Amino acid sequence: QQQVKQSPQSLIVQKGGISIINCAYENTAFDYFPWYQQFPGKGPALLIAIRPDVSEKKEGRFTISFNKSAKQFSLHIMDSQPGDSATYFCAASFRDTDKLIFGTGTRLQVFP
Amino acid sequence: KAGVTQTPRYLIKTRGQQVTLSCSPISGHRSVSWYQQTPGQGLQFLFEYFSETQRNKGNFPGRFSGRQFSNSRSEMNVSTLELGDSALYLCASRTGTGHNYGYTFGSGTRLTVV
Repeated sequence: QQQVKQSPQSLIVQKGGISIINCAYENTAFDYFPWYQQFPGKGPALLIAIRPDVSEKKEGRFTISFNKSAKQFSLHIMDSQPGDSATYFCAASFRDTDKLIFGTGTRLQVFP
Repeated sequence: KAGVTQTPRYLIKTRGQQVTLSCSPISGHRSVSWYQQTPGQGLQFLFEYFSETQRNKGNFPGRFSGRQFSNSRSEMNVSTLELGDSALYLCASRTGTGHNYGYTFGSGTRLTVV
């Protein structure tokens, strides 16, 4: 019940296209859902985060869509660029403990 | 502004040995967390320290321990190393606790156990 399931495992998108990564969870006690971006040789970096009382959050080309009833959330990267090529992790956290439970990651490759 | 600094970057140890990894958080950050990253298990939470006190602990055996000093620097120790402990160990720091404070991760220490 503490798992966060992420798909797809890898994604290839052409420059200018939309990248979509999906995550699903079971435990309704999760109350914070961040997305992290990781480049090779670096630690994950916080990209954008959402709480369950909001259905969508947008920051620049990155948007989180959140469906509380379906217990799913997704990351949309508009106008994908080669510089977006990285591994993306969704995560979830409980209210009373800030430890992050990560999805398995999606390796995104954006080709020119 | 300096980021989270982890030392050493790479480490090779023999099975049965022990190892200590170090993390210097961003200046002013009082919370430090540790995560283990492996290809098979992904990113898993080890523990979090805030003001020298362990606040949360993940599901790892007692061979994994940590501590935080008064200057917020943190160390984690793994005793009796096993081959399966080979991983990238990531430290993350933040100003305070709670979801309003995002984590900043270091680049990690890559531990190889042979």
